[in-house]
Amino acid sequence: EDQVTQSPEALRLQEGESSSLNCSYTVSGLRGLFWYRQDPGKGPEFLFTLYSAGEEKEKERLKATLTKKESFLHITAPKPEDSATYLCAASHLGGSNYKLTFGKGTLLTVNP
Amino acid sequence: IAGITQAPTSQILAAGRRMTLRCTQDMRHNAMYWYRQDLGLGLRLIHYSNTAGTTGKGEVPDGYSVSRANTDDFPLTLASAVPSQTSVYFCASSPGQGVKPQHFGDGTRLSIL
Repeated sequence: EDQVTQSPEALRLQEGESSSLNCSYTVSGLRGLFWYRQDPGKGPEFLFTLYSAGEEKEKERLKATLTKKESFLHITAPKPEDSATYLCAASHLGGSNYKLTFGKGTLLTVNP
Repeated sequence: IAGITQAPTSQILAAGRRMTLRCTQDMRHNAMYWYRQDLGLGLRLIHYSNTAGTTGKGEVPDGYSVSRANTDDFPLTLASAVPSQTSVYFCASSPGQGVKPQHFGDGTRLSIL
């Protein structure tokens, strides 16, 4: 069964305390891995696409990496405005169409 | 600002009533999607449309229908609402199939009593 699992479910950090969020996946024929940020009362906002193992993408304090089994979202010196739920999603073949399977997200809280 | 507009932003509905959630995009994306997001279950695909005039079933299609008469609009209809359809509904679009990111609206919060 195609599955995307994110850990931890929730993470509290102090401002400036770096950490990583994990997204492990077991899907048939991964075509790409997406990271999104979701603020309360809003829709998911696209952050990164990773296509192949070894690839890295960066944006401000965020860096996403991909291996053959998992992806990490590294947050360096986070600020309170980085508080949000972070979602990952795996794009893979499902029948004759591409499917997008989402993880349940990691709720990140950064305290000042 | 280009993007996806969903309406209404929230709604309380009596069970058994019919309800249509509206979704419009101005990015000329071919593909559109409807998801529901429930606590502990994450985002689940209800229906999708790869291009105007075509639709397909997602993971949880029962009790919902969609139409895609043109590129911009993708309404979701609950023919006879039930309490288990209480959820937050998100519409999304992408340039096409394949490995392209989906862009989301800000959702409709629907409560069925």
